[in-house]
Amino acid sequence: GQNIDQPTEMTATEGAIVQINCTYQTSGFNGLFWYQQHAGEAPTFLSYNVLDGLEEKGRFSSFLSRSKGYSYLLLKELQMKDSASYLCAVNSGNTPLVFGKGTRLSVIA
Amino acid sequence: KAGVTQTPRYLIKTRGQQVTLSCSPISGHRSVSWYQQTPGQGLQFLFEYFSETQRNKGNFPGRFSGRQFSNSRSEMNVSTLELGDSALYLCASALSGGGGYEQYFGPGTRLTVT
Repeated sequence: GQNIDQPTEMTATEGAIVQINCTYQTSGFNGLFWYQQHAGEAPTFLSYNVLDGLEEKGRFSSFLSRSKGYSYLLLKELQMKDSASYLCAVNSGNTPLVFGKGTRLSVIA
Repeated sequence: KAGVTQTPRYLIKTRGQQVTLSCSPISGHRSVSWYQQTPGQGLQFLFEYFSETQRNKGNFPGRFSGRQFSNSRSEMNVSTLELGDSALYLCASALSGGGGYEQYFGPGTRLTVT
């Protein structure tokens, strides 16, 4: 079966760094996506990892370890507008993306 | 380039009725996927269409169906609505199918069943 786990909620302070973890168990692996979803809005693409290592994109970075079935999203210099849900999704082959239930991040002053 | 559009944005229906939702993908995108999002279950895959053919189907009852037209626009239909069908229905388009491409989501249709 397919299983993706993420923490349900996290809270962090403005200006700080936060790491959101995602572990997965899927029948295959062709890449991992991170999406951001603000309340009441559609998910928007943040990053895509298919090889092991760190992908950096501005204040956001995403890391992947395929052997451990593990990824994390790192958000630096947190801003209030980063308060949102962060969704981890795995592509396990010629099948649709499987999404985790999302991590709701609250950024406080 | 225009984004993914979904109509209607909000809908209130009564148990037992049926509903049709529409999705227009980004121009040039041939894959359209549909998801149901609820607070408890997160994003759950309904089905994916590519070039008018259903490529994949999620674990939903037969009351949920869909189709894709030659211009890549897609519709999903839910018959005999139940209270539990209340959710945000999202469609996402991609250049191609199979999950290996970035998906662009529409704003969703918020369905409330009373």
